[in-house]
Amino acid sequence: DAEITQSPRHKITETGRQVTLACHQTWNHNNMFWYRQDLGHGLRLIHYSYGVHDTNKGEVSDGYSVSRSNTEDLPLTLESAASSQTSVYFCASSDGGSKETQYFGPGTRLLVL
Amino acid sequence: AQSVTQLDSQVPVFEEAPVELRCNYSSSVSVYLFWYVQYPNQGLQLLLKYLSGSTLVKGINGFEAEFNKSQTSFHLRKPSVHISDTAEYFCAVSYTGRRALTFGSGTRLQVQP
Repeated sequence: DAEITQSPRHKITETGRQVTLACHQTWNHNNMFWYRQDLGHGLRLIHYSYGVHDTNKGEVSDGYSVSRSNTEDLPLTLESAASSQTSVYFCASSDGGSKETQYFGPGTRLLVL
Repeated sequence: AQSVTQLDSQVPVFEEAPVELRCNYSSSVSVYLFWYVQYPNQGLQLLLKYLSGSTLVKGINGFEAEFNKSQTSFHLRKPSVHISDTAEYFCAVSYTGRRALTFGSGTRLQVQP
């Protein structure tokens, strides 16, 4: 069955370190998204991609970057981790346009000390 | 810019009672509306969505929602809840030209025996 996976599921790091969170989908979807979930804020969009070599900033993109070298993967990099980036990170994918359902990964819980 | 408001952060309810989770949105364009559910330590999964047509939308697990354009609302309802419905529920919107979702802050439904 097609799926979307994230790794690691849990991560502890120190401030200033570079961290990369992996997202892999086997749906062959063109669209991929990264969100962060914080109490009281719901999910907020970090970055998104509509296809290979396409990346776009979301509402809370400062301190994060992504690259899309193939259809299946959209890794999220924290250039220099900050305590404010402690959060739960969700990757999602969809196909087609705005009406389509997004499918979410299980999430990565990141703690920055 | 769009925004989504879920006024109730927590809704406690007894098993077999009816429940309504409220969602209001603001947008100057036509929107597509979604309800997602998140069970503990899991990713989000789609409950139902409104794209066009009939304003009453039926979803999985006995949930339904009604789109009200004049009140810019998309409230979620279930006539009789079960313990297994205990979860966090998110309302979200997208629109033509924007495939990413804008989420509300979530409502935690707590079903008590």
